[in-house]
Amino acid sequence: GQQVMQIPQYQHVQEGEDFTTYCNSSTTLSNIQWYKQRPGGHPVFLIQLVKSGEVKKQKRLTFQFGEAKKNSSLHITATQTTDVGTYFCAGRYNTNAGKSTFGDGTTLTVKP
Amino acid sequence: NAGVTQTPKFQVLKTGQSMTLQCAQDMNHNSMYWYRQDPGMGLRLIYYSASEGTTDKGEVPNGYNVSRLNKREFSLRLESAAPSQTSVYFCASSSWLFVDYNEQFFGPGTRLTVL
Repeated sequence: GQQVMQIPQYQHVQEGEDFTTYCNSSTTLSNIQWYKQRPGGHPVFLIQLVKSGEVKKQKRLTFQFGEAKKNSSLHITATQTTDVGTYFCAGRYNTNAGKSTFGDGTTLTVKP
Repeated sequence: NAGVTQTPKFQVLKTGQSMTLQCAQDMNHNSMYWYRQDPGMGLRLIYYSASEGTTDKGEVPNGYNVSRLNKREFSLRLESAAPSQTSVYFCASSSWLFVDYNEQFFGPGTRLTVL
């Protein structure tokens, strides 16, 4: 079946360092979403990317969608302890097919 | 607005027992979903309901059944629980599955242990 691969699985950083997680698909996506899940919590929607080469920013978070719409990244500048959690991408292959496929997530820990 | 609510929050079952997980949303959403999350893994879709009156299988439907009771409520039933079904179960909803913008809103989850 269609899969969305996410790397790395874990990332440990010192507070103030940058962090990036990558999402890759072997086939073209119609759109990709990013979610954040705090420890013990539930996933919360962050953003959706639709266009080839799209870049969106939310404060210290930068989201990119690749030109071929097969990969995406989330970059956090100068991490803070509040950034701790697991970041998931969810790719949709076909709007008509509806449902999205989630990656396995990248768990970020931040050392103060 | 409560958003998406799930009951119970925690449950321990013995192998072979049955139970129903309840989910309700108050956002007037058409589409609802059930996911399971195992440690170190992402969210895997069990079943979904694009709209009231329809349900479809996701990636891992075996051992589960669902009911879309009305527009607000979507329940997940385990007929004969197995230890492999030990997981955290999330219900989610979105305005409408078949549109470009499909933000999903998740409930707080049910932590299920099957002994």
